[in-house]
Amino acid sequence: DSGVTQTPKHLITATGQRVTLRCSPRSGDLSVYWYQQSLDQGLQFLIQYYNGEERAKGNILERFSAQQFPDLHSELNLSSLELGDSALYFCASSVGSSGGGGDTQYFGPGTRLTVL
Amino acid sequence: AQSVTQPDIHITVSEGASLELRCNYSYGATPYLFWYVQSPGQGLQLLLKYFSGDTLVQGIKGFEAEFKRSQSSFNLRKPSVHWSDAAEYFCAVGASGANNLFFGTGTRLTVIP
Repeated sequence: DSGVTQTPKHLITATGQRVTLRCSPRSGDLSVYWYQQSLDQGLQFLIQYYNGEERAKGNILERFSAQQFPDLHSELNLSSLELGDSALYFCASSVGSSGGGGDTQYFGPGTRLTVL
Repeated sequence: AQSVTQPDIHITVSEGASLELRCNYSYGATPYLFWYVQSPGQGLQLLLKYFSGDTLVQGIKGFEAEFKRSQSSFNLRKPSVHWSDAAEYFCAVGASGANNLFFGTGTRLTVIP
């Protein structure tokens, strides 16, 4: 158990809908990262928040947005969903902001999104 | 920009046999290198990481990896594989001060009795 929690575990919805994925980082971690894992794209970095502020952006679509709240939990909002958005969405957390460097990222169990 | 190549999509080994999973990275400076394992239905668990110093890194579950700058490689090894090691293994690269990791496409390990 990494200490990172994600809800829900599974989500099934229809095209055009909007969903919200939630992540609670490990106690003491200030950074939250969101990744998308799909069969065709592999594991891709979407976005990072550090202590409530956006710190880095990856391959995140304009239909997707995220935020980090004062209690440091984060939500990833996916709107106007398409079939191709079906994937496993991971959240990770780290103590500092350098998750690609000196700060180790700890991953949650993921949320599997199925868009029908 | 950093990138990672895992040339083997799927590897099958017998239980008790040795294992080596290949990882090649592309980065101009000294990389930060990681190996993660993903068991079915689970998140990614960190096996080991290399930042600097000794090029042979020991990790959890009996795994080790060796950083070879001349070959731009960071291969993962285990002397004797257990059935519970069956999973998907991801190599990732980062850099000093970087915000995120770049992951390889993963290698699926099957262990046969």
